[in-house]
Amino acid sequence: DAGVIQSPRHEVTEMGQEVTLRCKPISGHNSLFWYRQTMMRGLELLIYFNNNVPIDDSGMPEDRFSAKMPNASFSTLKIQPSEPRDSAVYFCASSPLSGQPNTEAFFGQGTRLTVV
Amino acid sequence: RKEVEQDPGPFNVPEGATVAFNCTYSNSASQSFFWYRQDCRKEPKLLMSVYSSGNEDGRFTAQLNRASQYISLLIRDSKLSDSATYLCVVNFLYTGNQFYFGTGTSLTVIP
Repeated sequence: DAGVIQSPRHEVTEMGQEVTLRCKPISGHNSLFWYRQTMMRGLELLIYFNNNVPIDDSGMPEDRFSAKMPNASFSTLKIQPSEPRDSAVYFCASSPLSGQPNTEAFFGQGTRLTVV
Repeated sequence: RKEVEQDPGPFNVPEGATVAFNCTYSNSASQSFFWYRQDCRKEPKLLMSVYSSGNEDGRFTAQLNRASQYISLLIRDSKLSDSATYLCVVNFLYTGNQFYFGTGTSLTVIP
């Protein structure tokens, strides 16, 4: 299995521009998570989906952030308009929704976003 | 209040030392517990799950205390390759499948 695939790996954009981050979860995984990691705040859960349905988006910082999962193999996180404080590493992760305890989450390699 | 709290460190220890990390969680409904390892500029990866009875994997021992709502990780005979950030993770399965991460504890093993 190729694992969780994120693109792009690096993104540098100007303030005010729209940014779209992409994620392909591991095949067969029903849960998909978007995290943001900064030195100050660590790894924050932004939103997660179960079976393509957003379950909890309380971590999304503000209306400039939106996420979609149109099908089981693809999700996007969009920031519009972007601001310098959005600079961070954005991780996507996926996990089987097996109902069994101790089922881990698998991470993609992340997208390093810099907004100048 | 954060779901998971960890001492950020840093911990700087000599090779061969034993080091312990602790973590507390706020929600007693948490059901699964993990330690993840994150190397510099890489993604987090599972180090080990934490079971109620405690569990060991080579030089690593994980403990769970549900009554006090804390989790620990003990690393014996530290190696240079153990240098990384260690993340405490709790999972709520009944309410969906959220994974909440601590901010991580930084470990540097010194030759």
